[in-house]
Amino acid sequence: DTGVSQNPRHKITKRGQNVTFRCDPISEHNRLYWYRQTLGQGPEFLTYFQNEAQLEKSRLLSDRFSAERPKGSFSTLEIQRTEQGDSAMYLCASSLVNHRDRGTDTQYFGPGTRLTVL
Amino acid sequence: TQLLEQSPQFLSIQEGENLTVYCNSSSVFSSLQWYRQEPGEGPVLLVTVVTGGEVKKLKRLTFQFGDARKDSSLHITAAQPGDTGLYLCAGEPTGKLIFGQGTTLQVKP
Repeated sequence: DTGVSQNPRHKITKRGQNVTFRCDPISEHNRLYWYRQTLGQGPEFLTYFQNEAQLEKSRLLSDRFSAERPKGSFSTLEIQRTEQGDSAMYLCASSLVNHRDRGTDTQYFGPGTRLTVL
Repeated sequence: TQLLEQSPQFLSIQEGENLTVYCNSSSVFSSLQWYRQEPGEGPVLLVTVVTGGEVKKLKRLTFQFGDARKDSSLHITAAQPGDTGLYLCAGEPTGKLIFGQGTTLQVKP
């Protein structure tokens, strides 16, 4: 198992363009999360899926942002009409939640996609 | 809204010194997690503390969870340049993680 992978690792785009990022979680992990992180700050939650269902979206996720996880495996995050304020590191994490054993939902993070909007 | 406040935000020390990073909240968390993140990479989980008053050790790192489960600390003994990075505490109130703003640690040789 190679852990959580994200592609691309870096994306430079011009303001107004659309971009799409992909996240491949750890196999058999049923939860997948998207976070956004600006330089020197902690990550901020954007949205998460359990299997293919999107269960929660942050107020940070404007209508220009859309995330999907169509088959409950990989996920995509699309940003339409990018703005300079969208420049950040976009992190994906996955976890395995067993509802019979609440435990702690340990999230494993990918390396992130760094977006620069010019 | 549950918030996590970390202090200090920046720390620059010499190799061999000790340091403590604090993570505080006005809310109770069922558990707190500590992550370390290097530039250009995602956060890597160091430890999860679950029980109030719990102390966990990871080599030169000591993590403590407050009795009331509202705060936590990370103590590093004899810091080394390889400890340089961004240290993040995080709590999980409803599935998603809430992170503190992080402590950037620089250890100079």
